Amino acid sequence: SQQGEEDPQALSIQEGENATMNCSYKTSINNLQWYRQNSGRGLVHLILIRSNEREKHSGRLRVTLDTSKKSSSLLITASRAADTASYFCATDAGGAQKLVFGQGTRLTINP
Amino acid sequence: DAGVIQSPRHEVTEMGQEVTLRCKPISGHNSLFWYRQTMMRGLELLIYFNNNVPIDDSGMPEDRFSAKMPNASFSTLKIQPSEPRDSAVYFCASSLSRTGTEAFFGQGTRLTVV
Repeated sequence: SQQGEEDPQALSIQEGENATMNCSYKTSINNLQWYRQNSGRGLVHLILIRSNEREKHSGRLRVTLDTSKKSSSLLITASRAADTASYFCATDAGGAQKLVFGQGTRLTINP
Repeated sequence: DAGVIQSPRHEVTEMGQEVTLRCKPISGHNSLFWYRQTMMRGLELLIYFNNNVPIDDSGMPEDRFSAKMPNASFSTLKIQPSEPRDSAVYFCASSLSRTGTEAFFGQGTRLTVV
């Protein structure tokens, strides 16, 4: 079964707007990661946040983590057409070192 | 490094045939993962290896699926016999096996079983 559940399943916004995607998970974790997948390609790592961190930034990306609610959010600011992709959260499923992915959010940025 | 290399990129086969997917992880990585991606089920973890040893194969759907990692630079995922419902994109990924490291994905193999 999937560890993470992303919300929404699909999101369509105008270029320049901010995009927020959420992820909920079930078990305790050591860290949570976000990945991007362009159509027909493999997944690419974006950012990792550890369980003792609450917020992390990388360029236009901001990730938050609330371990009490078992949830995370990914914010992409000032979106660009090139940000159009599917975004997945992944957890280590309780430190098992295996990486379990959610269903993903399909993000479309309209020019 | 060229990244994780998977072959073939595309495979079309007839039902009942044996299919072998191949993966070369990034040199120095000691964890390797096989995933299957479909529209209906998303990205499923099939099996993962640590130091060439299978650690968790609970995601392997049936006995028709088997995976091996004979050495640190090569892994195979075999389906025998293949069925139309096995049609999917299969990804291989590798990482350093310590907490908090990212996984690097190959480009995937798109398998179509007719």
